[in-house]
Amino acid sequence: DTAVSQTPKYLVTQMGNDKSIKCEQNLGHDTMYWYKQDSKKFLKIMFSYNNKELIINETVPNRFSPKSPDKAHLNLHINSLELGDSAVYFCASSLRPGGVTEAFFGQGTRLTVV
Amino acid sequence: QKEVEQDPGPLSVPEGAIVSLNCTYSNSAFQYFMWYRQYSRKGPELLMYTYSSGNKEDGRFTAQVDKSSKYISLFIRDSQPSDSATYLCAMWGRNSGYALNFGKGTSLLVTP
Repeated sequence: DTAVSQTPKYLVTQMGNDKSIKCEQNLGHDTMYWYKQDSKKFLKIMFSYNNKELIINETVPNRFSPKSPDKAHLNLHINSLELGDSAVYFCASSLRPGGVTEAFFGQGTRLTVV
Repeated sequence: QKEVEQDPGPLSVPEGAIVSLNCTYSNSAFQYFMWYRQYSRKGPELLMYTYSSGNKEDGRFTAQVDKSSKYISLFIRDSQPSDSATYLCAMWGRNSGYALNFGKGTSLLVTP
């Protein structure tokens, strides 16, 4: 059983489109995250939800909007996609905020904007 | 200056070599120091973590933290081709919010 699963794994889309990435965790964790990993492998936090409440909202364009329908799911919707949005997006979860020592990552969604 | 600095490499070593991976940091409030391993096209997975200063050993892997120098290391003994991956250090402290602070990762290639 996959602990943190993201769909889709690959996403190729044109500039200007709107797309969503879905994430689900079956670990019973309270906290979920979205990270962006750029071409140089740098992992940067974007958002975090704890029990459906937004607790981290880093400086990202407001074209990115997270949604957490319940504590096992955290989706990422991106409007008006731009070339610079191309990256790998990782969902992660942890038992509690901070994720110290216990953050589990999904396999990533490789987004390519053309 | 980023809070966590890590040389991206790449680092190439022959099988059986001892590998040393390092990170430096600027936030003296960091208390937890983690090492993640990320295989190509996979998500990061936690290798080991250390709380505060000192050493921790797990099989062929040893993590060291020197808080006085703000320097952490991961040593891999008897390196294997299966150790080829990107190794990311990550840190957290009470004043660093709810997310981990990652280094850029070091790409390691162990050649047979």
